[in-house]
Amino acid sequence: EAQVTQNPRYLITVTGKKLTVTCSQNMNHEYMSWYRQDPGLGLRQIYYSMNVEVTDKGDVPEGYKVSRKEKRNFPLILESPSPNQTSLYFCASARQGNIQYFGAGTRLSVL
Amino acid sequence: AQKITQTQPGMFVQEKEAVTLDCTYDTSDPSYGLFWYKQPSSGEMIFLIYQGSYDQQNATEGRYSLNFQKARKSANLVISASQLGDSAMYFCAMREGNNAGNMLTFGGGTRLMVKP
Repeated sequence: EAQVTQNPRYLITVTGKKLTVTCSQNMNHEYMSWYRQDPGLGLRQIYYSMNVEVTDKGDVPEGYKVSRKEKRNFPLILESPSPNQTSLYFCASARQGNIQYFGAGTRLSVL
Repeated sequence: AQKITQTQPGMFVQEKEAVTLDCTYDTSDPSYGLFWYKQPSSGEMIFLIYQGSYDQQNATEGRYSLNFQKARKSANLVISASQLGDSAMYFCAMREGNNAGNMLTFGGGTRLMVKP
């Protein structure tokens, strides 16, 4: 089954404790992206990747890192999480210029 | 200025009736794509339908159709024969031009509630 898989689905952590949210897709898509969704602000792009070893900033990259060492994986790293990074996070993938398919989301709470 | 505007924060529809969710967009790029996504209470984002700016015909996918009026810059989603499972948030989104980042700009969403 074609899918984008995020883990974990739910995470509660404390300020400053490094964490990684994994994202994997099995559709051989070149493009992958991370969004965050916040009430009243909608979905905003954090980082994206056009292909392996190619990443670039979206609208709200501060406080986040990504890597794309393999085509299927695009982890989101929070080196020192802060409470303002409490949000619902989505990973998405697509063929270039095509429809983006989203993972199920990761609800992160930073205390 | 908002690039994607959804003016209906919430809507009710009777089960089995049709409903239209409004979306207007703003872009000066002649090449763009318009998308609708559904977000049920469980939180995932589910792709519903896509319309390209150069597509001659309105997109349809099962019970979903997109009423694309280019001159008015509107891309309304029509759901026919509403079902209880259609209750969810619905987001309109746009990708502009040769956007290498494929970034989608989302509207604020419309919460649809289907009454039995």
